[in-house]
Amino acid sequence: DGGITQSPKYLFRKEGQNVTLSCEQNLNHDAMYWYRQDPGQGLRLIYYSQIVNDFQKGDIAEGYSVSREKKESFPLTVTSAQKNPTAFYLCASTQDRSSYNEQFFGPGTRLTVL
Amino acid sequence: AQSVTQLDSQVPVFEEAPVELRCNYSSSVSVYLFWYVQYPNQGLQLLLKYLSGSTLVESINGFEAEFNKSQTSFHLRKPSVHISDTAEYFCAVSDRRMDSSYKLIFGSGTRLLVRP
Repeated sequence: DGGITQSPKYLFRKEGQNVTLSCEQNLNHDAMYWYRQDPGQGLRLIYYSQIVNDFQKGDIAEGYSVSREKKESFPLTVTSAQKNPTAFYLCASTQDRSSYNEQFFGPGTRLTVL
Repeated sequence: AQSVTQLDSQVPVFEEAPVELRCNYSSSVSVYLFWYVQYPNQGLQLLLKYLSGSTLVESINGFEAEFNKSQTSFHLRKPSVHISDTAEYFCAVSDRRMDSSYKLIFGSGTRLLVRP
């Protein structure tokens, strides 16, 4: 089945540690996205990538980093510079950069900082 | 830039009653509109979308939404809800960026709570 996988489902981190969240898609989509979801705030865009080896900052990129070395993969690193990293993180993809059509979402990773 | 407003953070309703979840967006220029549903600790699933054509769009599980350009609204309705419809619902609009790519702008979500 085609889709987006995210791992791990739950992640615990101590303050001061960097952690990397995985996102993989087998939909052959060009564009991929990372969102952060907090209660009552909807989804906020962290980073997006329209094509391999290219990515742009979203609305709340500070304290995060990404890479896009392969079309199928778009990992997100939450660095120690992120002041309040506890949240639910969602990865999504679309066919291409100019697609106004819907985004397909992964199941999410819940990050908790202890 | 576009913005999306979902005025109701939570809507409680009894099973088999009708429901309307409200969504308003800021600009009516070339809009593409979406409703997504999110069950607890899961990702978002597309419920329905408006791209063009008929202003009334329907989902396979009985939801419908009507694109109203004059009122810049895209309210979601269901004539009779089930317990299984309990979830969070997000309205979203596709906003075109300067580089001709598109960005989804999400509302803050409405939690639908269906009671027996």
